[in-house]
Amino acid sequence: EVQLVESGGGLVQPGGSLRLSCAASGFTFNNYWMTWVRQAPGRGLQWVANIKQDESEKYYVDSVKGRFTISRDNAQNSLYLQINSLRGEDTAVYYCGRIEYGSSGRPRIDFWGQGTLVTVSS
Amino acid sequence: DIQMTQSPSSLSTSVGDRVTITCRASENINRHLNWYRQKPGKAPELLIYGASNLQDGVPSRFSASGSGTYFTLTISSLQPDDFGTYYCQQSFGSLTWTFGQGTKVEV
Repeated sequence: EVQLVESGGGLVQPGGSLRLSCAASGFTFNNYWMTWVRQAPGRGLQWVANIKQDESEKYYVDSVKGRFTISRDNAQNSLYLQINSLRGEDTAVYYCGRIEYGSSGRPRIDFWGQGTLVTVSS
Repeated sequence: DIQMTQSPSSLSTSVGDRVTITCRASENINRHLNWYRQKPGKAPELLIYGASNLQDGVPSRFSASGSGTYFTLTISSLQPDDFGTYYCQQSFGSLTWTFGQGTKVEV
């Protein structure tokens, strides 16, 4: 059974930093691209970042470029999101997800974690 | 960046109704379009990928179509479990993805 379990969220002051983690199990982690998606309270989903299996490609939404860093440790079956210079608008539930390409070559997020809440407030 | 626009933003329906949600892309995304449903307090779940492919385990009352810039998701006969917010998502643009703003379905 595929499982993704996020951790590392919490209350942080503006300008602070956090490192979110996502522990993956039930599949061969190093075969998949992975993603982070966030959702501000009462708002819609916002894609944040994608990372290739070997970390050779990383993509970010414009609003987090230079502040967020996606990474992974394939030996530990773990995905990370380092978030720096936090702002109030970064307050959200952060979900990690597995990206499946399948035979069609059209990527989608086929498994999601339960999310971890990041609250930016003084 | 590719923008995704869903309509309607919300709809109030009844069990047994046929429901259609539309999603428009600001530029051609071929068939790189996915649909998700999210229930309150839960993670989203994948319903449809590649514009029209039903994800394993998703009931056949869900169907979808479209290509290019116009896409639709249809629920043929709404069931009580179908409440939630539905999102389209494009996965075409240089691996920089975007979601639609969501459509809240109330049963």
